[in-house]
Amino acid sequence: EDQVTQSPEALRLQEGESSSLNCSYTVSGLRGLFWYRQDPGKGPEFLFTLYSAGEEKEKERLKATLTKKESFLHITAPKPEDSATYLCAVLDNNDMRFGAGTRLTVKP
Amino acid sequence: DAGVTQSPTHLIKTRGQQVTLRCSPKSGHDTVSWYQQALGQGPQFIFQYYEEEERQRGNFPDRFSGHQFPNYSSELNVNALLLGDSALYLCASSFGTSPRGYTFGSGTRLTVV
Repeated sequence: EDQVTQSPEALRLQEGESSSLNCSYTVSGLRGLFWYRQDPGKGPEFLFTLYSAGEEKEKERLKATLTKKESFLHITAPKPEDSATYLCAVLDNNDMRFGAGTRLTVKP
Repeated sequence: DAGVTQSPTHLIKTRGQQVTLRCSPKSGHDTVSWYQQALGQGPQFIFQYYEEEERQRGNFPDRFSGHQFPNYSSELNVNALLLGDSALYLCASSFGTSPRGYTFGSGTRLTVV
């Protein structure tokens, strides 16, 4: 069965302390891997799409990378406003499957 | 340019009742997907509508049904509500079969008591 697993479940960082979030996946026909940010009580907000192994995308303090079996979301020198849940999803045919997310807290 | 609009924002229903949730997609988008998100979990795919037809369905019972209108807006209907149906229901829109990121609404928080 297709699966998307994110780790860690929760991560607490000090402001400026860089780290990475992991998303591992097993799907039969990957058409894209997506990263979203979700604030409490809100819908997910699109961050990146990655299509093939070796691809990288960057946006401000965030950088997403993709291998054949996993993706990483690197956060460089995070700020308190980066606190949110980060969701990974894979598009398998027409079905976007999400992981459970990593809840990131950045303390000042 | 309005994004995805969902209504209502909050809803409380009694077990056994029926509920209808509504979604207006982002301008220019013609595909609507519905997701259920339980507290602390990732969104779970319910179904997707394109050209007024259900194109794909996740692992949800027939109590969950939907509809897409000619203007691309959509409804999600849930019959015979169970306590376990309490969740945030998210609508996402996209354009055709393009594998780009979906645009999500803020969701409808459904509480079944």
